[in-house]
Amino acid sequence: QVQLVESGGGSVKPGGSLRLSCAASGITFRDYYMNWIRQAPGKGLEWISYLSSGGTTFFYADSVKGRFTVSRDNAKNSLYLQMNSLTAEDTAVYYCATKEASGRIPMGAFDIWGQGTMVTVSS
Amino acid sequence: DIVMTQSPDSLAVSLGERTTINCKSSQSVLYSSNNKNYLAWYQQKPGQPPKLLIYWSSTRESGVPDRFSGSGSGTDFTLTISSLQAEDVAVYYCQQYYSTPYTFGQGTKLEIK
Repeated sequence: QVQLVESGGGSVKPGGSLRLSCAASGITFRDYYMNWIRQAPGKGLEWISYLSSGGTTFFYADSVKGRFTVSRDNAKNSLYLQMNSLTAEDTAVYYCATKEASGRIPMGAFDIWGQGTMVTVSS
Repeated sequence: DIVMTQSPDSLAVSLGERTTINCKSSQSVLYSSNNKNYLAWYQQKPGQPPKLLIYWSSTRESGVPDRFSGSGSGTDFTLTISSLQAEDVAVYYCQQYYSTPYTFGQGTKLEIK
């Protein structure tokens, strides 16, 4: 079955860096565009990044632009998020998400989610 | 950016009762060329990722019970649960995918009265 598994979360000091990974299984990963969405503790959802299936088109939310970099390795069925210059406001559960490939679900809606990985930025 | 505002922030409803959650976008998410509203609804239970319930403002995702329905167009949308079940306790989010950055409402927490 389709599965996305995030990893790499943890505790980091302000100004530090962290690299998250999202491993995909049960799908032909190279056919899927991918997104990162985060959720601060007790708060709502914030979409932060998009990466096209080929890895050539990307978007970032203003809140992370210039600090976060999304990338993928289709040979390894993996998506990455390099996070630099972290602040307390980046503390959140980070989800990778996408949509099924048949075209039934529109671009920008997400029916496939991982369970998330927690990032805590604190001194 | 398109701002999504939900109301109410929380509500408590008796089992079997009808429930409505509202969502308003700061600009229209209706794409004139295909007459589709780029609006989705999600359900999130504690400790779980969100689950897609509805897309195109009113198309129910496969496997979602038919007591869930979506309506609205342009800037005003509604998620309706026709008869509340205990398993519907969750936080509900609307989301626009009309343009990036994709944005979510702040969420509506639904509890049993």
